[in-house]
Amino acid sequence: AQKVTQAQTEISVVEKEDVTLDCVYETRDTTYYLFWYKQPPSGELVFLIRRNSFDEQNEISGRYSWNFQKSTSSFNFTITASQVVDSAVYFCALSEEGAGNMLTFGGGTRLMVKP
Amino acid sequence: KAGVTQTPRYLIKTRGQQVTLSCSPISGHRSVSWYQQTPGQGLQFLFEYFSETQRNKGNFPGRFSGRQFSNSRSEMNVSTLELGDSALYLCASSPGQGGSSGNTIYFGEGSWLTVV
Repeated sequence: AQKVTQAQTEISVVEKEDVTLDCVYETRDTTYYLFWYKQPPSGELVFLIRRNSFDEQNEISGRYSWNFQKSTSSFNFTITASQVVDSAVYFCALSEEGAGNMLTFGGGTRLMVKP
Repeated sequence: KAGVTQTPRYLIKTRGQQVTLSCSPISGHRSVSWYQQTPGQGLQFLFEYFSETQRNKGNFPGRFSGRQFSNSRSEMNVSTLELGDSALYLCASSPGQGGSSGNTIYFGEGSWLTVV
């Protein structure tokens, strides 16, 4: 069965620091999809990125970057020069091919960025 | 383009009652799925509907049910509410079935249910 682990339950940084959120996944499928979502206090899950298992290229979007490594089953998320507005809970999720839009979520990492 | 809309946003129910939550997906999206979020269990998949048919179901008791209408709008119902059903219920929509066609899954703001 699939599983997503976010070992860091809570991280606290000072503004402008770089921070990396870890995500490790387990799946028996060779085709799968990985996601990151941000959840502010309002509750909505805001989509950040989706990655296919056959595309191991790292991605950068502004201050955000993602490092996908199949060899270690990891899909880590780095925020460069963090800002107070980045404070939220971040979730990593996995979807397997053929499982429709069923996502398996990690436990989430609460990020607190202090001014 | 409007996002995923969920109603009501907040509600309080008494044990034993039933509740119906509504979700309007993004226009053109045909897949709607529901998730329950609690502090203890985290985010858990309830079920997914595509073209009015339930395609996947999570590990929840039969008290949890849902349906999808021809316009892709969806409702979920929880009968005989228990204290443990207090949670944030999130609805998500996607253009189609599965991720192989490059679908991204978008979430609404959720419905906060408190059972007293």
